[in-house]
Amino acid sequence: AQTVTQSQPEMSVQEAETVTLSCTYDTSESDYYLFWYKQPPSRQMILVIRQEAYKQQNATENRFSVNFQKAAKSFSLKISDSQLGDAAMYFCALKKYSGGGADGLTFGKGTHLIIQP
Amino acid sequence: DAGVIQSPRHEVTEMGQEVTLRCKPISGHDYLFWYRQTMMRGLELLIYFNNNVPIDDSGMPEDRFSAKMPNASFSTLKIQPSEPRDSAVYFCASSPTWTGEDTEAFFGQGTRLTVV
Repeated sequence: AQTVTQSQPEMSVQEAETVTLSCTYDTSESDYYLFWYKQPPSRQMILVIRQEAYKQQNATENRFSVNFQKAAKSFSLKISDSQLGDAAMYFCALKKYSGGGADGLTFGKGTHLIIQP
Repeated sequence: DAGVIQSPRHEVTEMGQEVTLRCKPISGHDYLFWYRQTMMRGLELLIYFNNNVPIDDSGMPEDRFSAKMPNASFSTLKIQPSEPRDSAVYFCASSPTWTGEDTEAFFGQGTRLTVV
């Protein structure tokens, strides 16, 4: 079974500062995907960034980047120049690479990010 | 594209009643997923379809839950009879593919179900 753990229920950061959200996971698969999803108060889940496990280079999307440590099974999200619109719940998720059997996203419990103006 | 459309956005029902949640996936997406979100258990996969065929329903909590996908543009999740512990936010998501570099699930806005 796959598990995803987010050890920080809540994080707070000053606007324009940098914050890092932690995620660790466990899987027996050698190939898989990792995701960070954002859930604002509107409730809709929005993909922030995606990482393929076979890629050594860390994914980046504008102000969002990840630190992917495959051996340590760690996948942290760094948000630079935090903006008020970044305030939301952030979920780390894992999916095995190939189909067959249970093949949905396995989510962590989420981190509530607060942006202080 | 309007994205994944779920209806209703909110549903309040009495215990024992039948509840039907609806989902219209993004056109052209071959995969459709139903997730449930609660404070205690977080986000859990209930069932997913590929080309309208249920592939894995191991997450469906019990026989009171059923899901159908009669065509590529419509899916339902039914709870009969409903119980207070079914209160949650139910998400539908769709994806054009579920392997390869473009793997991404697109979520609807969810249906908040309250069973009293």
